[in-house]
Amino acid sequence: KAGVTQTPRYLIKTRGQQVTLSCSPISGHRSVSWYQQTPGQGLQFLFEYFSETQRNKGNFPGRFSGRQFSNSRSEMNVSTLELGDSALYLCASSLGQGVNEQFFGPGTRLTVL
Amino acid sequence: GQQVMQIPQYQHVQEGEDFTTYCNSSTTLSNIQWYKQRPGGHPVFLIQLVKSGEVKKQKRLTFQFGEAKKNSSLHITATQTTDVGTYFCLCHRGSARQLTFGSGTQLTVLP
Repeated sequence: KAGVTQTPRYLIKTRGQQVTLSCSPISGHRSVSWYQQTPGQGLQFLFEYFSETQRNKGNFPGRFSGRQFSNSRSEMNVSTLELGDSALYLCASSLGQGVNEQFFGPGTRLTVL
Repeated sequence: GQQVMQIPQYQHVQEGEDFTTYCNSSTTLSNIQWYKQRPGGHPVFLIQLVKSGEVKKQKRLTFQFGEAKKNSSLHITATQTTDVGTYFCLCHRGSARQLTFGSGTQLTVLP
């Protein structure tokens, strides 16, 4: 069974631009969660999607948004990029919603210049 | 909001020594998960603890969940170089609606 895939793996953007990251969960997994990882703040939860609905949201500004499609694939969008948005963005999928083992993808390394 | 403290932040041990990382929450948890992230890699699920006072073992790894469901520990016996990485706790509160990662403990094992 293929693991969680994320595209692109690396991305360089400039301040003010927007970016869309993509995540394909493990086949059969219906829940997708997104996390931001930085050296200073560690791993922070962004949001969780299940059955195309956002079920849970972390403490991030509205510039961070996401969606999930009927095939469980998910996208995350960040608008009006700031330097502080530079981070590794990790996607994790799980079978169901909430408390399940999460399988992480390799992440997208976003650099904002 | 939920506060999660994980200690120590760094730990250097000689191969063969034991290692313990602690995760403490300011609020009662519904459950806790532990993950390991190798350098340059992504977090990998280790275990989930749900019951008060629960203890689970995986070979040289022992996981405990406190009686009050506010703290947890991961203990590695006789560390090996393959144990190198950062260990994170992921705390679920309130029917998993609140998710907070600990800051992680970076383990270095010296051969």
